[in-house]
Order: sequence, then structure tokens, then C-alpha cells
Amino acid sequence: DIQMTQSPSFLSASVGDRVTLSCKASQNINKYLAWYQQKLGEAPKLLIYNANSLQTGIPSRFSGSGSGTDFTLTISSLQPEDVATYFCLQHNSWPLTFGSGTKLEIK
Amino acid sequence: EVQLVESGGGLVKPGSSLKLSCVASGFTFSSYGMHWIRQAPKKGLEWIALIYYDSSNKYYADSVKGRFTISRDNSKNTLYLEMNSLRSEDTAMYYCAVTTEAPFDYWGQGVMVTVSS
Repeated sequence: DIQMTQSPSFLSASVGDRVTLSCKASQNINKYLAWYQQKLGEAPKLLIYNANSLQTGIPSRFSGSGSGTDFTLTISSLQPEDVATYFCLQHNSWPLTFGSGTKLEIK
Repeated sequence: EVQLVESGGGLVKPGSSLKLSCVASGFTFSSYGMHWIRQAPKKGLEWIALIYYDSSNKYYADSVKGRFTISRDNSKNTLYLEMNSLRSEDTAMYYCAVTTEAPFDYWGQGVMVTVSS
């Protein structure tokens, strides 16, 4: 199985900050990486797929980049409503596997 | 609007069985593969099962293979997960999810399963 490693596991930042979250795959997954946002008590919500494709309805301050084994989710200007845990998912090969998450809080 | 509504969770003892349901609406259920994904308390997400749109193929994570069975009834727009020989490590929120245009682009609200004596 492909292992997905996210860093950091916890991040505290100020409103308006540019925030970068990392996800690394244990082997090449081409561009097949998705990002999900999970707010407390809610189901995950798809933000980004195929590494850099923004899901419909997601604010443009969210963006994704990367290919191969190294990927990044960037929030260009952190908003209070972005407080959540962010998970990456490799959708290159079965079984699909998630990272362990980055918990993002407002400083 | 796509909606997925799970039910059937609860508190059960180790070794017992439970059957979850997920009723779908807002899309052509019979045209899409369906998944179950779970999340143990304060833990990450784990994909556990997939069933093709026509039930022709089913796939499971190793952690549940041989104990869990995924099925569907396209006439009722309903997905099922039959869970046998439950263990404490199966305690989790269970989500049904579908990939329509992007991976797991729609999720249910989840149903909690607690396995404890």
C-alpha cells in the first residue's frame, strides 16, 4: 500500500497568513492527489483533486501543486472559517490511502 | 442536490454483527460505484470497501476482508455494509461516499459504530 505522510501535524497561523501544508507519497502517484477539509463534527469536503484542480464551489484562496511524490496545499490568505483538519488522499492506485492529517488553527 | 444518509450504527459487543445503510438521492445511484470509509475517534480516514455500480465487483481493505460485506440495492438507491465479528478496533464513524466527477466528491454525514463490552 502507498503510505501518505503529512506535515506538519499541527499548524497555528494568523488570519491573512499564507499557509502551506505538505503531503508526501511513499511512491510515485503521478498527479493523483486530492485534498479534503474536515471541520469539527462534519464529514470531509473535497477541495482539490488531480493535485491542482479546484473543486466546484471552493474559494480560490485554496490551491494545490506537486506531482510524483511531493504535494502542497496552499491557502493564500487564511480565514477564520479555514480552521479544520486537512487530509490528503492518493487516488492513483488501490487501495486508496489517506494521510494522517494536518490540524490548522488560528493564532 | 446529492444527498447520502447513513443509518444503522450503535453500540455493540465484540464479536457481534451490525448492518449499516446509506440512502442516496440527487444523482443516478445505479450508475456509480459506492464506497465506505471510516474514521476512528480522533484518527485519520480509512477506505474500507468499494462496490461497482452493478455489483459486479467488490473490493475490501485488508483490515475488514472476510468480516465485512458491501452490497447495494439499486431499486432502493441504497448501499449497505454488513459487519460481522466486530472488534474494538472497528469503533469508528462510518461514511458512505461516491465519486461522480472527482474522488469522493460527496459524503454522507456519517454513522457511529462503537464496539465495546
